[in-house]
Amino acid sequence: DTAVSQTPKYLVTQMGNDKSIKCEQNLGHDTMYWYKQDSKKFLKIMFSYNNKELIINETVPNRFSPKSPDKAHLNLHINSLELGDSAVYFCASSRRLAGGLYNEQFFGPGTRLTVL
Amino acid sequence: DQQVKQNSPSLSVQEGRISILNCDYTNSMFDYFLWYKKYPAEGPTFLISISSIKDKNEDGRFTVFLNKSAKHLSLHIVPSQPGDSAVYFCAASVGQGAQKLVFGQGTRLTINP
Repeated sequence: DTAVSQTPKYLVTQMGNDKSIKCEQNLGHDTMYWYKQDSKKFLKIMFSYNNKELIINETVPNRFSPKSPDKAHLNLHINSLELGDSAVYFCASSRRLAGGLYNEQFFGPGTRLTVL
Repeated sequence: DQQVKQNSPSLSVQEGRISILNCDYTNSMFDYFLWYKKYPAEGPTFLISISSIKDKNEDGRFTVFLNKSAKHLSLHIVPSQPGDSAVYFCAASVGQGAQKLVFGQGTRLTINP
C-alpha cells in the first residue's frame, strides 16, 4: 500500500562506481521529484518530471541522470560517485491540477547513500 | 544562500503544553508556505500550509502564523502530544501549488510525558 516507494533503502558503495536508485508511486500522480538532503539537513530539489518530461533541473552535476520510463516511475542514476554524493535522497510525487498548479508533494522514505 | 532557515535544531516540550516552531525566510518572492512532518525512516508528510494573503491558518491542533513584514512564520501545536515528536520542516514557494519548494533544515521536536 506504500504510496511512494524507493529502492534500495540503504546503499553503500565505493568512489567511482555507478549506481541507481529507483522510485515508484501508486498515487496516480503525473509529476515526480528527486530531492537531496545534505549533511546540514537541508532538503534541496534536484529534478522534477511531469509526464516523463524534465521540468526542473537544479544545477546538478551531469553525473546525475534521472530517467522516467512512465508517469509512475522516476529513477536516479549516478555515475562516478564522489564522497560528496553521500546523502539521503528522497523521491516525491504530486499531481498537476487545473491552471498549472500542483497539489502537495508526497515523499518516499528516502535512500541513504554512503560513498566510501 | 539558504533562503529558508529554521534556527532551532531541536525543541523539547512537555506533553499538553504548546509547541512553537519557528521559520525565517529571506526571499520576498515567496508567497506560499508549508510545514512538513517527518518521522525516522519515513519521508516528510504534508501538515499544513498558508498563503501570503492570510496571516493565520488553523487545522485542529495545528496553527500556522505568518508575519510577512518580518519574513517569519511559526507553527503552533496545542496541546502537544507524544505522537507529535518528529522533525518539522518549513518550506516555501513562489506561488501556491508551485513545483519548486525550498526547505529549511528542520527542527526536531520532542514531547516529554
